Amino acid sequence: TQLLEQSPQFLSIQEGENLTVYCNSSSVFSSLQWYRQEPGEGPVLLVTVVTGGEVKKLKRLTFQFGDARKDSSLHITAAQTGDTGLYLCAGARGGGATNKLIFGTGTLLAVQP
Amino acid sequence: SQTIHQWPATLVQPVGSPLSLECTVEGTSNPNLYWYRQAAGRGLQLLFYSVGIGQISSEVPQNLSASRPQDRQFILSSKKLLLSDSGFYLCAWRRLLGVTGELFFGEGSRLTVL
Repeated sequence: TQLLEQSPQFLSIQEGENLTVYCNSSSVFSSLQWYRQEPGEGPVLLVTVVTGGEVKKLKRLTFQFGDARKDSSLHITAAQTGDTGLYLCAGARGGGATNKLIFGTGTLLAVQP
Repeated sequence: SQTIHQWPATLVQPVGSPLSLECTVEGTSNPNLYWYRQAAGRGLQLLFYSVGIGQISSEVPQNLSASRPQDRQFILSSKKLLLSDSGFYLCAWRRLLGVTGELFFGEGSRLTVL
């Protein structure tokens, strides 16, 4: 059972365009992270959001955690070719040492020059 | 600084053969360790996680097993591989900070079962 559904699954846009990626679940998470992965490598953390309604900005990237801590979005302004990659959301579940990250289904972004 | 390594990077195995993927972490102690599997262009499926030596939790029933013989060593194994075991396997470590904590991934091991 996939707890975190991302949409869209694939996205191909031109450089300079804006885009939004969504991460949705029916479950509540204690925190949510976004990772970016390049081919043949492991994912790398972009941001962590903890509080419902929280918004974080990382240059041209804006991340939002839903009020109920069940969903999140990633908005990229004026996309660049360097933004190309697989974007993954990951929700944290469980308490204490057993806290683990459940990854979303992934959004593959291709930014064309 | 902390580093994580996993090997081999690539392997091609026949159906029914055994498997051993190794992962080691340096520069930290008592990390939480994880094995994930990834289909091409898709999300990561959590297979196993470990909070200490000899402590393994399995997330999904499958043909694989994991072991943690030392604090910073995590091994993924199979006695007999199936075609469906093909995929990209990622080892990761994490230092928990309350309910957060970044996952640091190894370079990945691409397994093809023929």
